[in-house]
Amino acid sequence: AQSVTQLGSHVSVSEGALVLLRCNYSSSVPPYLFWYVQYPNQGLQLLLKYTTGATLVKGINGFEAEFKKSETSFHLTKPSAHMSDAAEYFCAVKGVQGAQKLVFGQGTRLTINP
Amino acid sequence: NAGVMQNPRHLVRRRGQEARLRCSPMKGHSHVYWYRQLPEEGLKFMVYLQKENIIDESGMPKERFSAEFPKEGPSILRIQQVVRGDSAAYFCASSRDVYEQYFGPGTRLTVT
Repeated sequence: AQSVTQLGSHVSVSEGALVLLRCNYSSSVPPYLFWYVQYPNQGLQLLLKYTTGATLVKGINGFEAEFKKSETSFHLTKPSAHMSDAAEYFCAVKGVQGAQKLVFGQGTRLTINP
Repeated sequence: NAGVMQNPRHLVRRRGQEARLRCSPMKGHSHVYWYRQLPEEGLKFMVYLQKENIIDESGMPKERFSAEFPKEGPSILRIQQVVRGDSAAYFCASSRDVYEQYFGPGTRLTVT
């Protein structure tokens, strides 16, 4: 079974500041990990994913995330926030084998202050 | 290359009516997933289908909800005798392999 915890349902940062969105997972099997972004009244867009190999993965819009097995974490970062980054962000996990479904965290709403 | 398409985008139903939500996967994708997003919550898995087969329906409510993915045509999520608690955004996703799922824009169901 898998589960995801996103620490902080709301995060607010200033434009140009570091963005850090936290995600911890639980999985009984090796995980695949994902970050999705959702803009108001839209579907989810894949930001980045970890499957195998390099633990630091880079995604679109300048985001990156690092898979840390020892900490069961997959935190999302961006060095400099932009106003257009304001959105809801979801971390998700699925098992390498078995069930295909994604298990999502509760989401983190990111607000960017000018 | 068109993305995942869902229609209608918005659907209003009175209590007791039926709701039919349609999803056309991306070209070449044979895996379809349905998720539900309640207000202020994350997405919850409902059902996973391949052509003509339900693979995993562990997230589907036991009553009133059904899904299909016929050999020809879109996948359909059907909700019979809707109640106010069914009001939510329903998202369809498709994939070609075990990695990425691509999401549609969703259908926002309002039950009055």
